[in-house]
Amino acid sequence: DGGITQSPKYLFRKEGQNVTLSCEQNLNHDAMYWYRQDPGQGLRLIYYSQIVNDFQKGDIAEGYSVSREKKESFPLTVTSAQKNPTAFYLCASSSSSLQGEVYEQYFGPGTRLTVT
Amino acid sequence: AQTVTQSQPEMSVQEAETVTLSCTYDTSESNYYLFWYKQPPSRQMILVIRQEAYKQQNATENRFSVNFQKAAKSFSLKISDSQLGDTAMYFCAFMTVNRDDKIIFGKGTRLHILP
Repeated sequence: DGGITQSPKYLFRKEGQNVTLSCEQNLNHDAMYWYRQDPGQGLRLIYYSQIVNDFQKGDIAEGYSVSREKKESFPLTVTSAQKNPTAFYLCASSSSSLQGEVYEQYFGPGTRLTVT
Repeated sequence: AQTVTQSQPEMSVQEAETVTLSCTYDTSESNYYLFWYKQPPSRQMILVIRQEAYKQQNATENRFSVNFQKAAKSFSLKISDSQLGDTAMYFCAFMTVNRDDKIIFGKGTRLHILP
């Protein structure tokens, strides 16, 4: 089945530690995204990538880093510099609009990160 | 700046009733797309419906339909014959055709379908 996987579903870390969230897709999508979801805040864009080996900061990139070495994978690292990392993180992918079309985003099941 | 506003943080309706969720947006662009996403308690985001701004006809998907008023920048979602499984957060979203692939989401409306 084609889809997006995020692992693990729940993640616990101690304050001061970096943590990497996994996102893998087999939809052959060029574009991938990371969102953070907090209660009452909707979805806020952290980073996105329209093509392999390239990515751009979203609205709340501070304290996060990403890589896009393979089309299928877009891991997100939450660094110790992120002041309030506890949140629900969603990964998404879509066909890229670089060809002029607009495509909806498909989402993974999310990872709940708790930092104490 | 482009924004999406959902003015109803939370709503409740009885099963089988019809409910309308409101969404307004602000943009100076003329070519864009609008979406409604559903996030049930499982937290899996699911696309409900999409609307291309250049199309005058309102999009429909089974029990879900939209009322797209381009001049008013309004994009409401109507759910007919509501079912218990419709209980979810609903997000209105907006995307311009400008090659940056970014979607702007509203803050969501939490919808409860009551038995």
